Amino acid sequence: KQEVTQIPAALSVPEGENLVLNCSFTDSAIYNLQWFRQDPGKGLTSLLLIQSSQREQTSGRLNASLDKSSGRSTLYIAASQPGDSATYLCAVKPGGSYIPTFGRGTSLIVHP
Amino acid sequence: DTAVSQTPKYLVTQMGNDKSIKCEQNLGHDTMYWYKQDSKKFLKIMFSYNNKELIINETVPNRFSPKSPDKAHLNLHINSLELGDSAVYFCASSQDWDQQETQYFGPGTRLLVL
Repeated sequence: KQEVTQIPAALSVPEGENLVLNCSFTDSAIYNLQWFRQDPGKGLTSLLLIQSSQREQTSGRLNASLDKSSGRSTLYIAASQPGDSATYLCAVKPGGSYIPTFGRGTSLIVHP
Repeated sequence: DTAVSQTPKYLVTQMGNDKSIKCEQNLGHDTMYWYKQDSKKFLKIMFSYNNKELIINETVPNRFSPKSPDKAHLNLHINSLELGDSAVYFCASSQDWDQQETQYFGPGTRLLVL
């Protein structure tokens, strides 16, 4: 059974810092891994999708890497801003299944 | 112009009652989903419909019955509500079954069963 763990559970940083959020999964036979953002009182917004054959994806100040063999992904946020404050979730989709497994998220606060 | 909308936003009800949550998307998508996020923040998929046809039913109790009257709507009816049903329920949609990774989520319905 796939398990997804996100560390840290919560993070509070001053504006401008570079951040690394971690996601680990127990079964390396994945189809893809996706990072989402969840704002309070709202649904999820997809940030980055990494296919199992890829090593990383970038979008603006966000960079996500994938190391399937070690069961890890990291989300790097450069030059953090207060608007980045949200909960960040990673979701792993196993090969041969349509059912994703989500982590519990990292709650990020970026203060001015 | 909300892409995926859910009603109600909040729902407080007594144990044993029957309630419905409605979801509508105006994106012209073929595929819709229901997710449950429990108090520990775990998000799990419950159902998926593609062109009004049930594709995923992820070990959800029979008390939960999704209904898709048309491609733009996927409603969730819950019978005999239990305390453990308290959670945030999210509806989502994607262009089609092949575009599952690009899902658009609704704002969620916060259900509290007393």
